[in-house]
Amino acid sequence: QSALTQPPSVSGSLGQSVTISCTGTSSDLANNNRVSWYQQSPGTAPKLLIYEVTNRPSGVPDRFSGSKSANSASLTISGLQAEDDADYYCSLFTSANTWVFGGGTKLTVL
Amino acid sequence: EMQLEQSGGGLIQPGGSLRLSCVASGFSISSDYMSWVRQAPGRGLEWIAVMYSGGSTLYADSVKGRFTISRDNSKRALYLQMDSLRAEDTAVYYCARDHREYNYKTDYYSYYGMDVWGQGTTVIVSS
Repeated sequence: QSALTQPPSVSGSLGQSVTISCTGTSSDLANNNRVSWYQQSPGTAPKLLIYEVTNRPSGVPDRFSGSKSANSASLTISGLQAEDDADYYCSLFTSANTWVFGGGTKLTVL
Repeated sequence: EMQLEQSGGGLIQPGGSLRLSCVASGFSISSDYMSWVRQAPGRGLEWIAVMYSGGSTLYADSVKGRFTISRDNSKRALYLQMDSLRAEDTAVYYCARDHREYNYKTDYYSYYGMDVWGQGTTVIVSS
């Protein structure tokens, strides 16, 4: 079973940019573009931000962008706003046709 | 607007059973893949089950043999039957539309992510 590693926490000031990484355990990410990112504010359901590495659903601001390099995916949030203070999760659709989530990253907006 | 409305959580003793419901509006659960995801207190997200549009199911090892996903198309409802519950099943349970589309020309699935989520329902397994 694939495992995805995220930093437990990151922080950034209002208006700045932050990047959250998501690293796979082997070559699972390197050969797979089925990477999604979710935002979860306290007490609420997750919200889809990015699918298939780089694509944003309708309604998601273009401040949110995704990328991938080798066995690591990244979510970059530019122009940080107070409402971006939340938890962020990456996920990968595996070769076993299951989804695996990263452990989550707490973003603190200073 | 696409929405999912959940119900059915609660406090249950270890070894007990519980059924969660998830009713869709604005789209057809019979035409989509539908997943269940849970989140233990203070922990991250864990995918646990999916029902394919064709009716097949797949489970995470942590719930295989104990949980059953099903649906009633006439009621636009997705269910999660949870049996032999354990303390470690304590979590908020979410249903979600697991949006995938198959392109017959290219023989390729596009994965659009879990783009519609229920509000979550809390299950507490404790004596």
